[in-house]
Amino acid sequence: DTAVSQTPKYLVTQMGNDKSIKCEQNLGHDTMYWYKQDSKKFLKIMFSYNNKELIINETVPNRFSPKSPDKAHLNLHINSLELGDSAVYFCASSQDGTGILRSYEQYFGPGTRLTVT
Amino acid sequence: QQPVQSPQAVILREGEDAVINCSSSKALYSVHWYRQKHGEAPVFLMILLKGGEQMRHEKISASFNEKKQQSSLYLTASQLSYSGTYFCGTEWRSSASKIIFGSGTRLSIRP
Repeated sequence: DTAVSQTPKYLVTQMGNDKSIKCEQNLGHDTMYWYKQDSKKFLKIMFSYNNKELIINETVPNRFSPKSPDKAHLNLHINSLELGDSAVYFCASSQDGTGILRSYEQYFGPGTRLTVT
Repeated sequence: QQPVQSPQAVILREGEDAVINCSSSKALYSVHWYRQKHGEAPVFLMILLKGGEQMRHEKISASFNEKKQQSSLYLTASQLSYSGTYFCGTEWRSSASKIIFGSGTRLSIRP
């Protein structure tokens, strides 16, 4: 059973196109994230949702729009793709909470390699 | 304020030890360590909380010096399976759920 899954695994598209990446977790976690890992392996948080509510929104171009239809899904839509958007995008999830109820481990999906030509 | 990791890369022979450091310019609540093998997703190793104990994962241990705002990851008697890129992630306040990752330390283990 895959804990955090992403589709597609690879995405090759041309500049200016609009694309979406889907993420689903079956761990029952209430917090989900999107990370971008560039060619230098720098792993940077983009967004975080807790129970479908946006809680972290880093300095990301507004061409990127996350959507969480329910707490098990967090999709990422990208408009007007640019060359600099080429990267691996990871979805992750964790069980939030406070104090001893919180589980700190983030489970990452397998990643989506986006190539913009 | 991305944490700074050092060294950037390490090459070891199987059985040797290594230390990876992670330091922050800001007061930390917690430090997280992840390992990412080539072409795979990052995998959680351990977390160190402010005021908490030194943690351990197999033969990998880590410490957290709150005063110096830094953490060190100790890999003892390294195995081939330890190869990968190690990331430290820092969190500045509890329940923030926001981890800022360092640039990573690439560890290569030779037989």
